Amino acid sequence: RKEVEQDPGPFNVPEGATVAFNCTYSNSASQSFFWYRQDCRKEPKLLMSVYSSGNEDGRFTAQLNRASQYISLLIRDSKLSDSATYLCVAANTGNQFYFGTGTSLTVIP
Amino acid sequence: NAGVTQTPKFRILKIGQSMTLQCTQDMNHNYMYWYRQDPGMGLKLIYYSVGAGITDKGEVPNGYNVSRSTTEDFPLRLELAAPSQTSVYFCASRPVRGNEKLFFGSGTQLSVL
Repeated sequence: RKEVEQDPGPFNVPEGATVAFNCTYSNSASQSFFWYRQDCRKEPKLLMSVYSSGNEDGRFTAQLNRASQYISLLIRDSKLSDSATYLCVAANTGNQFYFGTGTSLTVIP
Repeated sequence: NAGVTQTPKFRILKIGQSMTLQCTQDMNHNYMYWYRQDPGMGLKLIYYSVGAGITDKGEVPNGYNVSRSTTEDFPLRLELAAPSQTSVYFCASRPVRGNEKLFFGSGTQLSVL
């Protein structure tokens, strides 16, 4: 069973749309959660951490549901520059970071 | 600061050849990681290290070896290259506490033919 599972998409949305990505993790002992963004052929970059209380950074909102072992990312008012692959990450107490397969987003003019 | 530096950026190997992917970080981070990313897939953990002299296996360690003789360096060794090892390899590091963000190198594109 994969540590982290994501819907691979692709998601093709018009500019200004709201889009949501979901992710589930299998290890209930996972401690920390993140969303990373990866542009084609580039290294992943941290988009935001995910906390149980939910957190927001501008147009981006992340949520964590520990009971359901579920993580989400909401992007509001999508921009062309948001086109990328979004990777869900769960880290355990052994300092191992597990990545999902990524969800591809294309924002269309 | 240079951050995490990986060399080479590209390499083509013949089946059965050996090579070492280099990874160096200048941020004095204790934790270092090697990942591979196959086309259209996420990153899979190969090996990781929590400090000099300490290494441990990740999800997909077969066919690879690592060493961590210094805090700065974490080389990944392929002894007998196989086509299944064709992938993009990313090295990452992070400090012990206070910031769980992974700092990535720019990757090594490896093809085994």
